[in-house]
Amino acid sequence: DGGITQSPKYLFRKEGQNVTLSCEQNLNHDAMYWYRQDPGQGLRLIYYSQIVNDFQKGDIAEGYSVSREKKESFPLTVTSAQKNPTAFYLCASKSSWRDPAKNIQYFGAGTRLSVL
Amino acid sequence: RKEVEQDPGPFNVPEGATVAFNCTYSNSASQSFFWYRQDCRKEPKLLMSVYSSGNEDGRFTAQLNRASQYISLLIRDSKLSDSATYLCVVNEVTGTASKLTFGTGTRLQVTL
Repeated sequence: DGGITQSPKYLFRKEGQNVTLSCEQNLNHDAMYWYRQDPGQGLRLIYYSQIVNDFQKGDIAEGYSVSREKKESFPLTVTSAQKNPTAFYLCASKSSWRDPAKNIQYFGAGTRLSVL
Repeated sequence: RKEVEQDPGPFNVPEGATVAFNCTYSNSASQSFFWYRQDCRKEPKLLMSVYSSGNEDGRFTAQLNRASQYISLLIRDSKLSDSATYLCVVNEVTGTASKLTFGTGTRLQVTL
């Protein structure tokens, strides 16, 4: 099946620990995105990547890092510098960042991160 | 002022009712618009894109008013399964970057 796969579904982080959230897509989409959702709030953009080997900071990048070594994969690392990491993390992809007509983003099922 | 504003609700309506949600956006350069549906503890899923002329998909009608910078979603003949949070989403293209901005969502609860 084509789609976006996020893993794990639930993740627990200890104090001072870095954790990595996986996002894989087999839709052949160029652009990929990471969002964070807190209760009662809208989705906030952490990082995005429009092509392989390139990525840009979103609105709340501090305490996070990403890589885009392959078109299919866009992992997000939540570092120990992120002091309030508990949230629902959503990965999304879009077919082409160049074409406004193709601005529909499709989401993975998300990862819930909690701090122990 | 928030970039995308929605009434958080909840809207509690009986089955069969018609309900409308509005959303306002602040950036007049916004280029495309969407409604997403998000069920509790799930990912958002695209409900429909919103076009300038308005568009309809079954019981759902979306409209865009660029002059007043608002978007609406009308749901007719509400079903229990329509209960969810509806996210208004606005896309801006600046230079080579394309960015989606999400509203906080309007919660709908359809009851018997």
